[in-house]
Amino acid sequence: AQKITQTQPGMFVQEKEAVTLDCTYDTSDPSYGLFWYKQPSSGEMIFLIYQGSYDQQNATEGRYSLNFQKARKSANLVISASQLGDSAMYFCAMMEPGNQFYFGTGTSLTVIP
Amino acid sequence: KAGVTQTPRYLIKTRGQQVTLSCSPISGHRSVSWYQQTPGQGLQFLFEYFSETQRNKGNFPGRFSGRQFSNSRSEMNVSTLELGDSALYLCASSLLAGGLNNEQFFGPGTRLTVL
Repeated sequence: AQKITQTQPGMFVQEKEAVTLDCTYDTSDPSYGLFWYKQPSSGEMIFLIYQGSYDQQNATEGRYSLNFQKARKSANLVISASQLGDSAMYFCAMMEPGNQFYFGTGTSLTVIP
Repeated sequence: KAGVTQTPRYLIKTRGQQVTLSCSPISGHRSVSWYQQTPGQGLQFLFEYFSETQRNKGNFPGRFSGRQFSNSRSEMNVSTLELGDSALYLCASSLLAGGLNNEQFFGPGTRLTVL
């Protein structure tokens, strides 16, 4: 079974609008960490936001927020007030204790002016 | 503080050759992980090194190997290159290994093309 599933290969959003990128995960470990990374066309992966499995509140970092629904095993990324520079690939990832990072297949986001 | 550096940035090889890629982690980081990224397979974990020891290994053939030096710099070697090895190879460093909030910092990658 896939550890991380991103079902949206491509998304479009109008500039200044909000967009939600979906991510579901699969683990039987009660302790885990969830991450979102952005990869522009240059190739470098940029860390955006982190959510721990025991965190009570949804993580927020500036215009990024993580909609964490533990029972559904989903960790959707919400980008508010989209900007042209947000156009990139977005990857959801999970870390289990003592284990490796698992990445999803990514979502390509295009911001339309 | 300098970020993760990878050399070379671009590489062209022919089938059957071997290649060595290098990664220098952020100063003080002791964990280095390697990933292969292709359009069809996405990001796939190759291996992770911590304090010169391989901690985790992904599902890749033995042609893919790595090592880590005492200064935490890491090298990845691919022998007997195949066309399917063409990919972006990303290196990531983190302060420790195995921690849940173990944020990984990525380098710019090495784009390998096998002809």
